[in-house]
Amino acid sequence: LAKTTQPISMDSYEGQEVNITCSHNNIATNDYITWYQQFPSQGPRFIIQGYKTKVTNEVASLFIPADRKSSTLSLPRVSLSDTAVYYCLGAEYRSAGTALIFGKGTTLSVSS
Amino acid sequence: DTAVSQTPKYLVTQMGNDKSIKCEQNLGHDTMYWYKQDSKKFLKIMFSYNNKELIINETVPNRFSPKSPDKAHLNLHINSLELGDSAVYFCASSATSNGAYEQYFGPGTRLTVT
Repeated sequence: LAKTTQPISMDSYEGQEVNITCSHNNIATNDYITWYQQFPSQGPRFIIQGYKTKVTNEVASLFIPADRKSSTLSLPRVSLSDTAVYYCLGAEYRSAGTALIFGKGTTLSVSS
Repeated sequence: DTAVSQTPKYLVTQMGNDKSIKCEQNLGHDTMYWYKQDSKKFLKIMFSYNNKELIINETVPNRFSPKSPDKAHLNLHINSLELGDSAVYFCASSATSNGAYEQYFGPGTRLTVT
């Protein structure tokens, strides 16, 4: 999962559903797919994590197809406050410890 | 109740100076990290400590030295600051080290070197 590809930016309007797709062709068997959110001038915040099929929490849903080479973060009925950068993350196992590998992320702009 | 806190929030200093950034977490986590976010917004890991022991050390200049007095604190000391050190530095923590996808980040310290 170390290298990921996602759109640089997306625009949406309040109340719409937003789907951000991430490609991770070299995902390893034991890798989890993780998404983070970062607001301006703040640290990244964990949103959701999954291994396969579908995961849902109070913030978002994560859809993962059977081959796990991509994933889609779904944000239902976005609001202006959802404007942020969304990262689909790779993670690298080292001899000890996990290093999160942040890519460029997708800048989501929500308008009224 | 701030989970991961950093001080200072802003740091402006001149080239050649030595400065420190402090980080504290009150989550009871065993592992702490330092990340650097440059002007292009790329976030890169620098160091990771597990129970006060260094476990990840990326290719970072020797001028950067992390210090963990206890597992709730991870400070970053930078010697002989250079213009290229200007960035936002984030501290983070996680409950474990391996498979630690869920990390809690602090608010960041914006370092400006003039």
